[in-house]
Amino acid sequence: AQTVTQSQPEMSVQEAETVTLSCTYDTSESDYYLFWYKQPPSRQMILVIRQEAYKQQNATENRFSVNFQKAAKSFSLKISDSQLGDAAMYFCAYRVEGNTGKLIFGQGTTLQVKP
Amino acid sequence: NAGVTQTPKFRVLKTGQSMTLLCAQDMNHEYMYWYRQDPGMGLRLIHYSVGEGTTAKGEVPDGYNVSRLKKQNFLLGLESAAPSQTSVYFCASSYTRVGYTFGSGTRLTVV
Repeated sequence: AQTVTQSQPEMSVQEAETVTLSCTYDTSESDYYLFWYKQPPSRQMILVIRQEAYKQQNATENRFSVNFQKAAKSFSLKISDSQLGDAAMYFCAYRVEGNTGKLIFGQGTTLQVKP
Repeated sequence: NAGVTQTPKFRVLKTGQSMTLLCAQDMNHEYMYWYRQDPGMGLRLIHYSVGEGTTAKGEVPDGYNVSRLKKQNFLLGLESAAPSQTSVYFCASSYTRVGYTFGSGTRLTVV
């Protein structure tokens, strides 16, 4: 069975600096999707970035980018020029192969941004 | 606004009581999911549906039942609530299985 692990329960970063959140996963599948979701105190789940495993190029969305290492089964999220509004819980998720669309989530990392 | 609506947003139940959580989406999505979020455990899949009239068990289905009689609605039922079911419940829907829309969650406390 697939698993997703986020080993950093909490992280902090100074405003305007860069922080990297770690995520590792375990799977025997070859084609899959990976996601990073942001959950602010409002509880809303917001998609930050999505990566397709067959694409070698790392996904980027403005200040957010990923370092996708398929062989190592690692999918870290880099936030550049951190802003106070980036403070939230971040979840890494893996989409199970097949036609169900099930997502498996990591435990989450709480990011604190210090002014 | 198009999206996923969960009702209620908050609820307190006594042990043994029953309740139904409603998830409604107006995007004509085929796929719908119920997750629970607990501290340190992320979101875990309870049940899901790949289309109207279909349901299937997820990772943590015990103590819950679901129904999807209409495509736009996915109901999650607790027949006899237990304190272990205290959690935040999220509904999500998807059309493409690579894009998901989440509801704003229901905080349930069982005392």
